[in-house]
Amino acid sequence: DAGVIQSPRHEVTEMGQEVTLRCKPISGHNSLFWYRQTMMRGLELLIYFNNNVPIDDSGMPEDRFSAKMPNASFSTLKIQPSEPRDSAVYFCASSLYGTGVGEQYFGPGTRLTVT
Amino acid sequence: DAKTTQPPSMDCAEGRAANLPCNHSTISGNEYVYWYRQIHSQGPQYIIHGLKNNETNEMASLIITEDRKSSTLILPHATLRDTAVYYCIVRSVDTGGFKTIFGAGTRLFVKA
Repeated sequence: DAGVIQSPRHEVTEMGQEVTLRCKPISGHNSLFWYRQTMMRGLELLIYFNNNVPIDDSGMPEDRFSAKMPNASFSTLKIQPSEPRDSAVYFCASSLYGTGVGEQYFGPGTRLTVT
Repeated sequence: DAKTTQPPSMDCAEGRAANLPCNHSTISGNEYVYWYRQIHSQGPQYIIHGLKNNETNEMASLIITEDRKSSTLILPHATLRDTAVYYCIVRSVDTGGFKTIFGAGTRLFVKA
């Protein structure tokens, strides 16, 4: 099993540019989560999906952030326009909802730097 | 979901047991206790979970008090590779989805 795959692993961009982060969950998992981690705020849940449907996006910081899950094997997190304060490590995780256990498996993360 | 309280950091000698405490005094009857850890620059890793009985797997043991207001994660023979931030989380599994809130965790330093 390849685990959760995220791309790119590192992204450096200039303020104002659009950034797209990508995630491929573990095959068969039906829940997907996007997190952001910074030194100041720790690990924050941004949004999560069940069966490709967004369930809770209350953690999305503002309208500049958007997430989609067009199918069970792919999700994107987009920031447009990006700002320096968006610099962070973004993690994607997947889980099998409905088993009563639901441990989450995390990807390696994307380190985003906005200059 | 209930909030948890953990010490910010702990030390442990290599080869000894590491006992990481967690307080969750407002836990509800349908909420589980989960433990994850995050080794530097990696994504968090699931360790173990439990409801009210003690649990053990190949990584660790989880001891939950009878009133369920606190728990202890035990790494029986800590190694240098166990140096990480350990997160204790409580959440229900019967709400819509698995919303997981991570706190600050405990930074465990395993020393040779």
